[in-house]
Amino acid sequence: NAGVTQTPKFQVLKTGQSMTLQCTQDMNHNSMYWYRQDPGMGLRLIYYSASEGTTDKGEVPNGYNVSRLNKREFSLRLESAAPSQTSVYFCASSEAPRRTDTQYFGPGTRLTVL
Amino acid sequence: QKEVEQNSGPLSVPEGAIASLNCTYSDRGSQSFFWYRQYSGKSPELIMFIYSNGDKEDGRFTAQLNKASQYVSLLIRDSQPSDSATYLCAVKITGANSKLTFGKGITLSVRP
Repeated sequence: NAGVTQTPKFQVLKTGQSMTLQCTQDMNHNSMYWYRQDPGMGLRLIYYSASEGTTDKGEVPNGYNVSRLNKREFSLRLESAAPSQTSVYFCASSEAPRRTDTQYFGPGTRLTVL
Repeated sequence: QKEVEQNSGPLSVPEGAIASLNCTYSDRGSQSFFWYRQYSGKSPELIMFIYSNGDKEDGRFTAQLNKASQYVSLLIRDSQPSDSATYLCAVKITGANSKLTFGKGITLSVRP
């Protein structure tokens, strides 16, 4: 039981390049999330998927797209990377929308855009 | 705008002391409150959650919630150097599916 896994762990891109961050969870969770974490800014929600087949924007969606491929996988795509997207990206999952629902985080992807 | 505020820190306490971490929130529709710990270079991990007014204890950790005053706190008793980390407060708002709004975190340093 690996929990939440993310690939890659590190990535360096040039401005304008594209890439996809992959996230997989094996906990049979319904909801999945993508966050970015910048120094002094805390965790900010980019996109989330409350259940398979649905996706919604979070606080900072501009410049990103997502795909909920199936119940286990939720990918984040940067179509044309910009230096402002240099950040640490975390994927998380939770069982279901309820009051005490807990989010479990993956190990993160450290992305640098030059 | 829904906000979650934490003291900017950093907070430094001697080993064995009680560390008190505070968090305030602006949305009265907030229903659940979570404390996560994040070691440098690692991902956040849940310490505990609370949703009823009062105290909730789990080992050396106590979460306190006061909805009237809109604050939630985390007390760490008998602080250890291994407690040195960044602590994130997160709030779930009623009707927001399972979305959480995070504070910016406070860094705790426990001096041996």
